[in-house]
Amino acid sequence: AQSVTQLGSHVSVSEGALVLLRCNYSSSVPPYLFWYVQYPNQGLQLLLKYTSAATLVKGINGFEAEFKKSETSFHLTKPSAHMSDAAEYFCAVSESTGFQKLVFGTGTRLLVSP
Amino acid sequence: EPEVTQTPSHQVTQMGQEVILRCVPISNHLYFYWYRQILGQKVEFLVSFYNNEISEKSEIFDDQFSVERPDGSNFTLKIRSTKLEDSAMYFCASRESTGTDTQYFGPGTRLTVL
Repeated sequence: AQSVTQLGSHVSVSEGALVLLRCNYSSSVPPYLFWYVQYPNQGLQLLLKYTSAATLVKGINGFEAEFKKSETSFHLTKPSAHMSDAAEYFCAVSESTGFQKLVFGTGTRLLVSP
Repeated sequence: EPEVTQTPSHQVTQMGQEVILRCVPISNHLYFYWYRQILGQKVEFLVSFYNNEISEKSEIFDDQFSVERPDGSNFTLKIRSTKLEDSAMYFCASRESTGTDTQYFGPGTRLTVL
């Protein structure tokens, strides 16, 4: 079985500060890992994904994440937060074969203050 | 850019009534999914669908739930007799293939059961 743990239901940063959202996963098979963002009253938009190529993955809007197998982590970072980054962020894991349902974490709400 | 669409955006129903949630996946996609998100909780997998049959379902997806692709474009989720605990946001997702392809999510249908 697979699972995802996101530490911190809320993270607050100032505009221009580093964003770090934490994600740890558990998987008995090689995983694929994803970060999705959900803006208010909208669906889930893919930020980036790890599918066993490069361990440092770059996504949209300046976000990136690094797959660390030894730490079973896939933390999301952005060097400088913008007000528009305020949203809910979900980490998800899937198997690399089969129908690859996504297993989501509980989400982290990012708050950005001026 | 192609996108997944869902109707209605908000559905209010009485307990015990049947509801049908509709999704139009991206046109060349072959794999389809339903997820739900109870308010304040994480996104949960319900069912995956390929080649006109269910490929995987979660324990949430009991006999009250069914899915079908009636006309080659729509993908529907039916709840036969709604319960209060079915109140949630329901997301449809689709992907072209398995492997490294991305699941694209629709904007969701908010179901409120009174």
